[in-house]
Formats: sequence, C-alpha cells, structure tokens
Amino acid sequence: QVQHVQSGPEVKKPGASVKVSCKASGYIFTDYYAIHWVRQAPGQRLEWMGWIYAGDGETRYSQKFQARITISRDSFATTAYMELSTLTLDDTAVYYCVRIGGSHPLWGQGTLVTVSS
Amino acid sequence: EIVLTQSPGTLSLSPGERATLFCTASQSVSTTYLAWYQQKPGQAPRLLIYGTFSRATGVPDRFSGSGSGTDFTLVISRLEPEDFAVYFCQQYAISPLTFGGGTKVEIK
Repeated sequence: QVQHVQSGPEVKKPGASVKVSCKASGYIFTDYYAIHWVRQAPGQRLEWMGWIYAGDGETRYSQKFQARITISRDSFATTAYMELSTLTLDDTAVYYCVRIGGSHPLWGQGTLVTVSS
Repeated sequence: EIVLTQSPGTLSLSPGERATLFCTASQSVSTTYLAWYQQKPGQAPRLLIYGTFSRATGVPDRFSGSGSGTDFTLVISRLEPEDFAVYFCQQYAISPLTFGGGTKVEIK
C-alpha cells in the first residue's frame, strides 16, 4: 500500500527541538520525488516549510524557518525527517509530510507537536 | 510565491443542494498541479481532486473539478451530510507549495 506513516505526537518545552519522521512505503522512495513538509497551526492556513529531493538529498527551506530547520532522509529506511529547533509556543501545530511527484500528492497522517511550558 | 485566494469564505447550504467553490491564483498554474482537499476537525486533509480534474481513489462522483490559468472550481453536485467540512485548494507546480485559505461548507 502506498502510504506515509508519521511518528507520534510530541510535547516539548520552549527552546527544545523536535524531530518528526515520515516512513514511506509502497513506492520507490528515491524515484524523482520531493518530500515536502508543511504545518498547520490551530485555525491557520497550511504553511510550507521546506522539501528534500529523495534521490540526492538536495534540500530547500522556507526563509521563515531557514535558521532552525533541517530536513533529511535515510534512503535505506525510506524515511524522511524534519527537525525544528529553538521551539516557541507558536510552533504548536500539526506537521505533515507530502510527496510531490507521481500522479498525485501523497500525505502523511500528520504529527501533532505541542510546545508548552 | 503563488497566492491562492478562495471564495466564498463560508457557504451555507442544505443537504441536496449544489456547492460551487472557487480558487483564484495570483499567476497562472498548470492544470496538472492543482488539487482540492476536504478537511474535518482533527483530521488530516483528504485529497479529493488532483490535476484539476481527476478524482482521487474512492471519491464520489458528486465531486468535480474544473478550471485553467488562474481560475479553478470545485463543484459538489448534491451535498450529503458528510460533505459539510472545510475545503481548500493547493498548487504544487512551483515551490513553495501554497494553499488557499479554505471555504467552510456549513449546514444552513
């Protein structure tokens, strides 16, 4: 089955980091796909954070997150990762991985990250 | 970045009625790369339409998409109770991915 399965919910303190994973299955992970990360804060529009090209690991980040985001992938584990550092309360959101390429976008189920003191 | 503007913000309709949702892009988007999603509270977005016209697997044929250039439309021909939700459009032609602000379809 073609799907993305993301890691479970996280609760973090302000200033901490979080790393979310996105396990791909049912397709060839390194075949011309970009894995994007987007987030949705409560009541807000979806916001693009960055992408990684699964084939060669090239990355591109939103300027908003450039200083504190790292997107990586493990081709053998067919998994993409998004790490966000120096968390603030405003980073509380559901984070999604989205494959672009192929016939249609493929989303993960989302990971809730709650930042709370 | 391509800005997507959806209208109306809210649509108040009764079950059985037709819903027409609009998505306007700030610049031309290839029809290959325009999608529509349904989202219910606490759930991930559900892909309805991709490539402007194609229904995703399992999506009922009362949902249809059309458009070109900067103007795209999602039509729900006869609203079922489970269709009351938020709908948003997405372009995936050019990075960054961008999303519309959503149209809430509510029960009148």
